[in-house]
Amino acid sequence: ELKVEQNPLFLSMQEGKNYTIYCNYSTTSDRLYWYRQDPGKSLESLFVLLSNGAVKQEGRLMASLDTKARLSTLHITAAVHDLSATYFCAVDENYQLIWGAGTKLIIKP
Amino acid sequence: ETGVTQTPRHLVMGMTNKKSLKCEQHLGHNAMYWYKQSAKKPLELMFVYNFKEQTENNSVPSRFSPECPNSSHLFLHLHTLQPEDSALYLCASSQHGTRDYVGIDTQYFGPGTRLTVL
Repeated sequence: ELKVEQNPLFLSMQEGKNYTIYCNYSTTSDRLYWYRQDPGKSLESLFVLLSNGAVKQEGRLMASLDTKARLSTLHITAAVHDLSATYFCAVDENYQLIWGAGTKLIIKP
Repeated sequence: ETGVTQTPRHLVMGMTNKKSLKCEQHLGHNAMYWYKQSAKKPLELMFVYNFKEQTENNSVPSRFSPECPNSSHLFLHLHTLQPEDSALYLCASSQHGTRDYVGIDTQYFGPGTRLTVL
């Protein structure tokens, strides 16, 4: 059974700090997606990572993929309050997305 | 309207009621999806439609009945639901949604319907 595990599931941090969210998966898929969900809202696509060593950056967020380790990371640099949300990773397996449980990120001023 | 829209946004129903959720995508995509999002659980894929044909049904109880009249519209018909069916139901669409496509196929989500079953 394919599993996608995110950690931590909850993270409270101060503005200006750096932190990393981890996404481990058990399949050989080389396509991984990161999404963001604000409270009471829908999911918004952040990054698509297609191959080993892929790195994508948008503002203070950077995502990377290591298919050999079956690990993706989402790194937050100098966090700001606006980044408070729940972040999900999802692995593409036979064109279906298998989702992690999400990491709820709270950034305090 | 742009993107993926869903109606209603909130729905409260009794266990004996029949109701329907509606989803419409304005992106020209070929695949549409229904997901269930429950608190503290990963998103659960319920149904997938590709070019109006149902391609996946992930062991969803028969009290949930999907309908896809065309590639832009997707319905989820609900009847005799249970309280544990209370959740956020999300609709999504993507350009391809087939096993034959190996590139990027980002799914775009609607705002969801918050369903409460009493």
